Amino acid sequence: EVQLQQSGAELGKPGTSVKLSCKVSGYNIRNTYMHWVNQRPGKGLEWIGRIDPANGNTIYAEKFKSKATLTADTSSNTAYMQLSQLKSDDTAIYFCAMHGFAYWGQGTLVTVSS
Amino acid sequence: DVVMTQTPPSLSVAIGQSVSISCKSSQSLVYSDGKTYLHWLLQSPGRSPKRLIYQVSNLGSGVPDRFSGTGSQKDFTLKISRVEAEDLGVYYCAQTTHFPFTFGSGTKLEIK
Repeated sequence: EVQLQQSGAELGKPGTSVKLSCKVSGYNIRNTYMHWVNQRPGKGLEWIGRIDPANGNTIYAEKFKSKATLTADTSSNTAYMQLSQLKSDDTAIYFCAMHGFAYWGQGTLVTVSS
Repeated sequence: DVVMTQTPPSLSVAIGQSVSISCKSSQSLVYSDGKTYLHWLLQSPGRSPKRLIYQVSNLGSGVPDRFSGTGSQKDFTLKISRVEAEDLGVYYCAQTTHFPFTFGSGTKLEIK
């Protein structure tokens, strides 16, 4: 069974960074793209970007190019997303997803507050 | 960016009724390989999204055949036959043909 286990909720101060993780079991992440999607409170889904864990190649939505950094560790079958220069409107649930959105993590709530 | 326009924004239906949700894209979603990367997701309350349909009309794993998808190019429809209580939530269309990938704004399905 494929499972994506995301790291726990984060509380970050404005101007700081957080790093989220997404550990995959039951599937080798080398064989898929890992996507990250956010959902602001009460809002819809927004694609942030994807990484090819086999070679580290990334593609970002324009608005997230200076906000998010995607990495992956194939030895631990884990994908990561670092969010930098946090602002209040970065408060959201962040999901990892893979295999054409067939599998999703449970989401990580990031709250930005001083 | 490809804009995905979903209608209606909300629906209220009785158990056993059938419903349709429309999704229109601002560009054709046919990729250079000839496939159309339009998908339908359901986000049940408090849950992560779940993929129902991929590439327009293919049923996701474990998804009941009450769900069906049709369409081509820029115009797509999700149909739910014989709605059940567990179908409530927000339905999203998503395209993975063009970067950046984009989602529709969602259709909230409520049960009467």
